[in-house]
Amino acid sequence: GQNIDQPTEMTATEGAIVQINCTYQTSGFNGLFWYQQHAGEAPTFLSYNVLDGLEEKGRFSSFLSRSKGYSYLLLKELQMKDSASYLCAVRDRRDMRFGAGTRLTVKP
Amino acid sequence: GAVVSQHPSWVICKSGTSVKIECRSLDFQATTMFWYRQFPKQSLMLMATSNEGSKATYEQGVEKDKFLINHASLTLSTLTVTSAHPEDSSFYICSARGGGQGQSSYEQYFGPGTRLTVT
Repeated sequence: GQNIDQPTEMTATEGAIVQINCTYQTSGFNGLFWYQQHAGEAPTFLSYNVLDGLEEKGRFSSFLSRSKGYSYLLLKELQMKDSASYLCAVRDRRDMRFGAGTRLTVKP
Repeated sequence: GAVVSQHPSWVICKSGTSVKIECRSLDFQATTMFWYRQFPKQSLMLMATSNEGSKATYEQGVEKDKFLINHASLTLSTLTVTSAHPEDSSFYICSARGGGQGQSSYEQYFGPGTRLTVT
């Protein structure tokens, strides 16, 4: 099975940087994903890591350490529209499971 | 990116009736489709995984006779909630994974979700 842990809620200020951590335990690791989900909507894909290291995509970056079972999503230059839930998801050989999500609130 | 559609986007039904939700991959062939359920302020919970032409694999605790999944083609999967009860009210989201030409085999594409309310 999989255990995926991430903080429940975080608050940050517009223009700042925020890091959302995710730890996981799984057998047959086959990739880690980050999704953004606004209330009442389906998740949208943000990033994918399968090898150790940092993947940068605009204001969003994601880091993975397979040996530590750890990932983080880094959001820079926060905007009000970044207020959403951020879901960490881990794929094993068969399917993909989601963490409970981190609800990020960006304040002016 | 690839597009996955769901129909209907929302539905209200009476307790005891059945509801069918369709999930379509519009511009790619989905070899595998996933059905998730999400209750308010909770994360997505995987219900079942289906591969085209074969029986779905259900997660522990999900009643296969209550949640009927059909994946008859590479572009269509359906979830039928039979004899719905108020506790089945939830946000149902499908996801499709391709692997064909032009599609990343690692990425799952999500439909917009279907909000089911059982009265």
